[in-house]
Amino acid sequence: AQKITQTQPGMFVQEKEAVTLDCTYDTSDQSYGLFWYKQPSSGEMIFLIYQGSYDEQNATEGRYSLNFQKARKSANLVISASQLGDSAMYFCAMRENFSGGYNKLIFGAGTRLAVHP
Amino acid sequence: DTAVSQTPKYLVTQMGNDKSIKCEQNLGHDTMYWYKQDSKKFLKIMFSYNNKELIINETVPNRFSPKSPDKAHLNLHINSLELGDSAVYFCASSPQFPEAGALSDTQYFGPGTRLTVL
Repeated sequence: AQKITQTQPGMFVQEKEAVTLDCTYDTSDQSYGLFWYKQPSSGEMIFLIYQGSYDEQNATEGRYSLNFQKARKSANLVISASQLGDSAMYFCAMRENFSGGYNKLIFGAGTRLAVHP
Repeated sequence: DTAVSQTPKYLVTQMGNDKSIKCEQNLGHDTMYWYKQDSKKFLKIMFSYNNKELIINETVPNRFSPKSPDKAHLNLHINSLELGDSAVYFCASSPQFPEAGALSDTQYFGPGTRLTVL
């Protein structure tokens, strides 16, 4: 069965510094997708970044980048130049595929990030 | 423009009652989902519908009945509510087959409905 592991229940970082949130995954599929979502205290789930298993380049979206190491089955999120508004829960997720093009997301337990001024 | 919307945002009710949560998406997506987030923030899929057809049912008690009147709407009806049903319920949508160059079949989430059963 597919599994996502986030080993850091909580992290803190100083404003303007970079932080890495860890995510490892387990799958026997050759084709899969990895996602990061942000959940601020207001509760909504905000899509941040996506990495496909066949993508050779690491994904980047503004201050977010995904450090994808396929052999190690890790997909760590790097946030550069942290801002106070980055304080939130961060979830790593993997797409589990079904026949017919359908899928569901398997989520990790999340990491709570606190950005200190 | 709201992409995925849910109503209500908060729902407080007594044990044993029946309640519904509505979800609508204006993204033109084919597939919609319901996820449950428990008190420890763990997210788990409940159902998935594609063009009004049930695709995924993750061993959810049959007190939960999703209904999709059209591909833009997926409602969740819950009968005989129990204390353990208290959670945040998220609706999400995604394209079944992303267009070329699109950012995969990313799922976009609604704002969530916090259900409290007393």
